Amino acid sequence: DQQVKQNSPSLSVQEGRISILNCDYTNSMFDYFLWYKKYPAEGPTFLISISSIKDKNEDGRFTVFLNKSAKHLSLHIVPSQPGDSAVYFCAAYPYSGGYQKVTFGTGTKLQVIP
Amino acid sequence: DGGITQSPKYLFRKEGQNVTLSCEQNLNHDAMYWYRQDPGQGLRLIYYSQIVNDFQKGDIAEGYSVSREKKESFPLTVTSAQKNPTAFYLCASSGTGVYSNQPQHFGDGTRLSIL
Repeated sequence: DQQVKQNSPSLSVQEGRISILNCDYTNSMFDYFLWYKKYPAEGPTFLISISSIKDKNEDGRFTVFLNKSAKHLSLHIVPSQPGDSAVYFCAAYPYSGGYQKVTFGTGTKLQVIP
Repeated sequence: DGGITQSPKYLFRKEGQNVTLSCEQNLNHDAMYWYRQDPGQGLRLIYYSQIVNDFQKGDIAEGYSVSREKKESFPLTVTSAQKNPTAFYLCASSGTGVYSNQPQHFGDGTRLSIL
């Protein structure tokens, strides 16, 4: 049972345009939602997160939107830059105060074309 | 500079051999994790530890073992019982308690291949 789904394995966007990466989830117990960026042969790096009590969080060029009724999460990158080309993982976990039982999506490979 | 160090970056295993992947963190995090990534798949949890001398199985623990003798270290042993060990292995850490809503930090991974 895949509780976090990224249905688009890949996405190509022109430099300067908006990139929109989507993620759907099924577990209503998730409290925190995150996006990680990963380059080949490197570990994921944290990009941006949002708690379930919010519907939007912004950090520079990156904005995450959360639609709890639709169980849908999206990451907007504006404007897209060639350095943004990477695999983006959506992740989510319920708050426990202890370890984080994080569920990851399968990733979306973003290619930003100069 | 705080972070997580994984070594080696590449590792080769012979049939019937156990190999150990190293993970060290200087972030003062209580919780540590091992994940496995296969092509086209998300990260899957192998083992996690919330505190020294305690660890729990994750979703795919069969064929793996861990230890947590020090807060900074969480080595993973891939045993000969793991029949499909070829993958990219990632170690992560996170805070607990009031810090448990902070994101996990990851190392740069170890790629394990079979000779």
